[in-house]
Amino acid sequence: DGGITQSPKYLFRKEGQNVTLSCEQNLNHDAMYWYRQDPGQGLRLIYYSQIVNDFQKGDIAEGYSVSREKKESFPLTVTSAQKNPTAFYLCATSQDYTGELFFGEGSRLTVL
Amino acid sequence: GNSVTQMEGPVTLSEEAFLTINCTYTATGYPSLFWYVQYPGEGLQLLLKATKADDKGSNKGFEATYRKETTSFHLEKGSVQVSDSAVYFCALPNSGGYQKVTFGTGTKLQVIP
Repeated sequence: DGGITQSPKYLFRKEGQNVTLSCEQNLNHDAMYWYRQDPGQGLRLIYYSQIVNDFQKGDIAEGYSVSREKKESFPLTVTSAQKNPTAFYLCATSQDYTGELFFGEGSRLTVL
Repeated sequence: GNSVTQMEGPVTLSEEAFLTINCTYTATGYPSLFWYVQYPGEGLQLLLKATKADDKGSNKGFEATYRKETTSFHLEKGSVQVSDSAVYFCALPNSGGYQKVTFGTGTKLQVIP
């Protein structure tokens, strides 16, 4: 079944802890993205990657890190440096850079 | 860079009412335009798109026309259902390369029976 799998769906962490969100795709798409969604603010781009072993900062990269060691995987680490990490995180892929994105189901992170 | 402005919600309609959600854009050139929908607790999914001026995108009874004269891409549906309750996002790729996509702030639609 082709698609994008994000895990975990819900995650609770204490302040000061790093957490890693998983994103795996079997669509064979080259580009992968991480977005953050907060109520009333739409989606904001954290990081994106066009090819393996390469990635670029988006609009709100501070406090986050990523890696792209395999085409299928693009994990996001929310570090303790991120001031307000509680949010809904969405992973997406694209193939042709027209702007058409395919999204995972999202991961909701709550920092206590 | 490219940008999009979307009408604020929430929008509350009775079943079978007519829906319009406004979206205007600022863009270099004529990029493709998109509407995405997000159902509660889920990721976004593409609802419809238009790839050039005067194109009409349509899907599931929703329509939107790419109007370069008014730089608009308004979403319409003639008769909404309770199952259409969701958040709708207008989007377009950034200028200077389509690796990044800009989204509107989203419009929440609630349809009541």
